[in-house]
Amino acid sequence: EAEVAQSPRYKITEKSQAVAFWCDPISGHATLYWYRQILGQGPELLVQFQDESVVDDSQLPKDRFSAERLKGVDSTLKIQPAELGDSAMYLCASSVPGSNLYEQYFGPGTRLTVT
Amino acid sequence: AQTVTQSQPEMSVQEAETVTLSCTYDTSESDYYLFWYKQPPSRQMILVIRQEAYKQQNATENRFSVNFQKAAKSFSLKISDSQLGDAAMYFCAYRSWRKLVFGKGTKLTVNP
Repeated sequence: EAEVAQSPRYKITEKSQAVAFWCDPISGHATLYWYRQILGQGPELLVQFQDESVVDDSQLPKDRFSAERLKGVDSTLKIQPAELGDSAMYLCASSVPGSNLYEQYFGPGTRLTVT
Repeated sequence: AQTVTQSQPEMSVQEAETVTLSCTYDTSESDYYLFWYKQPPSRQMILVIRQEAYKQQNATENRFSVNFQKAAKSFSLKISDSQLGDAAMYFCAYRSWRKLVFGKGTKLTVNP
């Protein structure tokens, strides 16, 4: 069964350093999402792509976070510089665009710890 | 803005028993969808069950069923014949045309 791939699974970095996460969605899924999940809370959307275009990045802290999906397939989320408050799980999800019945398929996430 | 509230941070159930997880939401929209997601420890989130707001009939998926009360804006999840593998975080989520909004989750423990 096809799955959303993410790497790395775990990342420890020092504050003020740069960090990047990678996501490979399920083949054929044009919509890709990055979520941040703080411990003890539900995921919050950071950015949504439709193919290579950003359709929603209203919750992305653009002074330090950036996301790209250059060829409309895999995607990279970057944080520079990392801050202590960025410690969280970063989830990637993908879906087939269309009706709201479509299911978002989630990857295993990247657990970021900023020290 | 849409909000989703899960009032039970933690719940526990005995194996083979039934448990109900609560969820309420706030919206002014009439067309939307509701979901329950399961997030096992160190594993990816998966969809458990979905409900279209325009449907009056409650959704059912094997041992999982929902009680959807549109006027009360309530969407509870019932797990029957609980199994050890049901232990996980459960998130209620609301979807309109804009985006998916999650509650804070309920941690379910299943006791043998």
